[in-house]
Amino acid sequence: DAKTTQPNSMESNEEEPVHLPCNHSTISGTDYIHWYRQLPSQGPEYVIHGLTSNVNNRMASLAIAEDRKSSTLILHRATLRDAAVYYCILRRGRGGADGLTFGKGTHLIIQP
Amino acid sequence: EPEVTQTPSHQVTQMGQEVILRCVPISNHLYFYWYRQILGQKVEFLVSFYNNEISEKSEIFDDQFSVERPDGSNFTLKIRSTKLEDSAMYFCASKPWAPGQLNSPLHFGNGTRLTVT
Repeated sequence: DAKTTQPNSMESNEEEPVHLPCNHSTISGTDYIHWYRQLPSQGPEYVIHGLTSNVNNRMASLAIAEDRKSSTLILHRATLRDAAVYYCILRRGRGGADGLTFGKGTHLIIQP
Repeated sequence: EPEVTQTPSHQVTQMGQEVILRCVPISNHLYFYWYRQILGQKVEFLVSFYNNEISEKSEIFDDQFSVERPDGSNFTLKIRSTKLEDSAMYFCASKPWAPGQLNSPLHFGNGTRLTVT
């Protein structure tokens, strides 16, 4: 699986936007970019995914660079409940039972 | 919203004992997974399961591990003879199948904390 690189940790203030970067310079044409997060003492939780175009859902937005070698997860207005580890994961677009390969992710700290 | 449920939330066992971790995936999902997370470390893939057989497994998933879907609702992970290093959080996940949707997200449970003493 292609590798992703994320900062170990980031800090932001409550009610401000947060931009979480991810580099994936070896991404292949069929790799989807997925984001999951893990709140303290919980299992991972799906946030958003995309292939080429930017994506929005009720949780976040995903901005994908034109060359697809990087992406940014955007939380528009962070709350204390958004404090979690955020994982950027590449996933082959082949479907089936393929699992996810988690890295260390970015530990997001939200200051009140 | 439907969710993946795991029982028990915490299991303590002695080294060498067999343990079974239980999961009830979301009812219309067809793909099932087990992951583990040793304290302070990454979430690691163990095994995926589809159509009543293992689809993929990692190097961690050796002969001491097995999975089963004994009925239409449960998905279990058995560790035959536990070792101290099996102490970890074990997460079950499931995924739906839908035509053309190659990248449906995985839905995770909140895990079982296994402590081997």
